[in-house]
Amino acid sequence: QQQVKQSPQSLIVQKGGISIINCAYENTAFDYFPWYQQFPGKGPALLIAIRPDVSEKKEGRFTISFNKSAKQFSLHIMDSQPGDSATYFCAASVTVSGSARQLTFGSGTQLTVLP
Amino acid sequence: DTEVTQTPKHLVMGMTNKKSLKCEQHMGHRAMYWYKQKAKKPPELMFVYSYEKLSINESVPSRFSPECPNSSLLNLHLHALQPEDSALYLCASSQGLGGSYEQYFGPGTRLTVT
Repeated sequence: QQQVKQSPQSLIVQKGGISIINCAYENTAFDYFPWYQQFPGKGPALLIAIRPDVSEKKEGRFTISFNKSAKQFSLHIMDSQPGDSATYFCAASVTVSGSARQLTFGSGTQLTVLP
Repeated sequence: DTEVTQTPKHLVMGMTNKKSLKCEQHMGHRAMYWYKQKAKKPPELMFVYSYEKLSINESVPSRFSPECPNSSLLNLHLHALQPEDSALYLCASSQGLGGSYEQYFGPGTRLTVT
């Protein structure tokens, strides 16, 4: 019930195209859904996040779509650029121990944007 | 400023060595985390500190020993590690009770156990 399923495992997109990564969860206690971007040898960087009372959030070229009834959410990267080539992790979190937040990660998507 | 710093960036240690990883944040966050990440895998939670008290230990072997000396610092003491413990060790922090939910990661320490 704690699992977050992410697809696809890898994605190749042409420069200027749209990259779409999908995630699904089971635990309805999750109340915050961030996306992280990770470059090789670096720590994950928080990219964009959404709460379940919102169906869409856009920040620049990055948009999260959230479907609470289907327990699914997705990341759309518009006008994809070679610099977007990285691994993307979706996550879901819930409060534990009164203050800390426990993140459950998806398995990751390796995005390659071709020039 | 959303910076979490970690030292060292790289560490090579033998199986009989004792070493420590250090993490620091000055964002006033009251929850701090240690994760382990193997290649091409998501981060795995190891420990959670909430208000400087250990609140979650995800069944981590005792050769890993966390310490939170104050609200800005988090250490991970390593002793008698195994080659399979080689990984990227990530520290993260979040605001804590009543604060925002964002969790920020440091750049990690690349650990190699020989």
